Amino acid sequence: TQLLEQSPQFLSIQEGENLTVYCNSSSVFSSLQWYRQEPGEGPVLLVTVVTGGEVKKLKRLTFQFGDARKDSSLHITAAQPGDTGLYLCALRGGDGGSQGNLIFGKGTKLSVKP
Amino acid sequence: EAQVTQNPRYLITVTGKKLTVTCSQNMNHEYMSWYRQDPGLGLRQIYYSMNVEVTDKGDVPEGYKVSRKEKRNFPLILESPSPNQTSLYFCASGFRGRSEQFFGPGTRLTVL
Repeated sequence: TQLLEQSPQFLSIQEGENLTVYCNSSSVFSSLQWYRQEPGEGPVLLVTVVTGGEVKKLKRLTFQFGDARKDSSLHITAAQPGDTGLYLCALRGGDGGSQGNLIFGKGTKLSVKP
Repeated sequence: EAQVTQNPRYLITVTGKKLTVTCSQNMNHEYMSWYRQDPGLGLRQIYYSMNVEVTDKGDVPEGYKVSRKEKRNFPLILESPSPNQTSLYFCASGFRGRSEQFFGPGTRLTVL
């Protein structure tokens, strides 16, 4: 049973547009991570959110953790071609998985066209 | 440079021929892990290790072995590879108790 669902699965937009991708779970979790994976490379951590309602900003990326700690979103403002990649959310040990077991959503594949 | 390295990066082999994919990190991380990534299935954890001589199964351990004799190395062993193990494999490491994981560049394995 997959614990994390991400939507949309694919997203293709033009440079300069805004977008939001979502990560949802049926279970409450204590923390959640967002990673970005570029073609041919391993995932790279963007942010960890731990507090319900928390908002974190990383340049043009805004991450939000839902109040009920069952969902999270990533909003990108004025997307650029360099934002192209696979965006993954993940839970870490104790959040529906055994300690040390990192569980990933299937990801949102974003393509930003110039 | 702090990094996770994997070798080989690409491997084509045949069914039943034992192989090992090496993983090494130079960040003194206690935690290391192996994942496979498949289209439509995402990243799934194979095995992980919380410290030297401590390993545990992830979500898809069947057909794989690991060992953690040294802190920096965490090899993935396929004793008798099968075509359903064709995949993109990632090694990752991190400090125990911290959520961030650092991933290697990946190993693309094809089993014919």
